[in-house]
Amino acid sequence: GDSVTQMEGPVTLSEEACLTINCTYTATGYPSLFWYVQYPGEGLQLLLKATKADDKGSNKGFEATYRKETTSFHLEKGSVQVSDSAVYFCALSDLGGSARQLTFGSGTQLTVLP
Amino acid sequence: DVKVTQSSRYLVKRTGEKVFLECVQDMDHENMFWYRQDPGLGLRLIYFSYDVKMKEKGDIPEGYSVSREKKERFSLILESASTNQTSMYLCASSSGRTGSYEQYFGPGTRLTVT
Repeated sequence: GDSVTQMEGPVTLSEEACLTINCTYTATGYPSLFWYVQYPGEGLQLLLKATKADDKGSNKGFEATYRKETTSFHLEKGSVQVSDSAVYFCALSDLGGSARQLTFGSGTQLTVLP
Repeated sequence: DVKVTQSSRYLVKRTGEKVFLECVQDMDHENMFWYRQDPGLGLRLIYFSYDVKMKEKGDIPEGYSVSREKKERFSLILESASTNQTSMYLCASSSGRTGSYEQYFGPGTRLTVT
């Protein structure tokens, strides 16, 4: 079945540091890939997405590139802020499988210190 | 923007009570989902629905039921609440019209069963 493996946390960075959160996936079809962010006490918000190989999703300074050859979708940001502290989830929807469900990674807690 | 609302942010119920969690979306999405989120266990799918009056079991349906009488509303029912159902409950919706089935989440309901 489909699966998403993401970098275990927690991750602690200083403000203005570079961020990379690794995400790799296994899927039987041709998935769309997503990053979600969850701030404390809130629901998940869609951060960015990519729907085909070599697509780059971007939003709020975050980027991720759909790499089919390495089955990866790593989240990057060049300079993090304290307000980026949250839990980040990588997810996929596989159009070759049950297209209505998402498969989520376990989440990575990010803390940014001033 | 897609808006998904949940009836309560916080709820405290007693063991054995019948509990209703309501979710409403305003974007005419055909798919709706209920998850629970627990520390260390990530997001787990309870039930989902891909059309009015249609429902499918997710990974952990035991102790729950759902109702979808109107397209915009999806209710989660705990027939007889138990302490092990204390959790954060998240509702989401999606549409195949986007081609990628990304899900949009509500703010969550933190349920405590005493």
